[in-house]
Amino acid sequence: AQSVTQLDSQVPVFEEAPVELRCNYSSSVSVYLFWYVQYPNQGLQLLLKYLSGSTLVKGINGFEAEFNKSQTSFHLRKPSVHISDTAEYFCAVSDWKGDKIIFGKGTRLHILP
Amino acid sequence: SAVISQKPSRDICQRGTSLTIQCQVDSQVTMMFWYRQQPGQSLTLIATANQGSEATYESGFVIDKFPISRPNLTFSTLTVSNMSPEDSSIYLCSVGSGGAYEQYFGPGTRLTVT
Repeated sequence: AQSVTQLDSQVPVFEEAPVELRCNYSSSVSVYLFWYVQYPNQGLQLLLKYLSGSTLVKGINGFEAEFNKSQTSFHLRKPSVHISDTAEYFCAVSDWKGDKIIFGKGTRLHILP
Repeated sequence: SAVISQKPSRDICQRGTSLTIQCQVDSQVTMMFWYRQQPGQSLTLIATANQGSEATYESGFVIDKFPISRPNLTFSTLTVSNMSPEDSSIYLCSVGSGGAYEQYFGPGTRLTVT
């Protein structure tokens, strides 16, 4: 069975500074990996996904993530954050069957002025 | 991506009553999912609802408490039965993409049980 660990429950960062949100997964089979964002009082929106191919994945709003199979990680990064990036970020994993997605506990990104 | 709407967007209900949440999609989809997000928590899958078959429930969730209907390829309902304050959560529906590898989410229904 798959599982996802988001190592930080909250990450404060100054506006225009870089940020990295950490995610590690556990699985005995090939996986697909996702990052979702949940803005205050809204549903979830897909930021980016890794299915296969290049290990560096670019998503919306300037975010990118790198799949590292040896370290079983899929960390999310942005070189310069904005106040509008304030949200909850969820890392998620699905196995090759794709019939179920397992979500991490989420990381709250708090942008400091 | 699909456009998903949910009704109601929020509700306050008394314990012991039931609430039915509707999920409407703007295109035909095979796989629909229902999640619960308790305050300050991540998403927990309640069940998978495929058209033409019984819903498949995850461990800890039962049909008597969370009956689901899936009458066609664009619509589903989730009922939260005999509610208690512990059922206060956001309930989200989602749909699978063509290969179901990623999911698209509705805006959620915020339920408060008093």
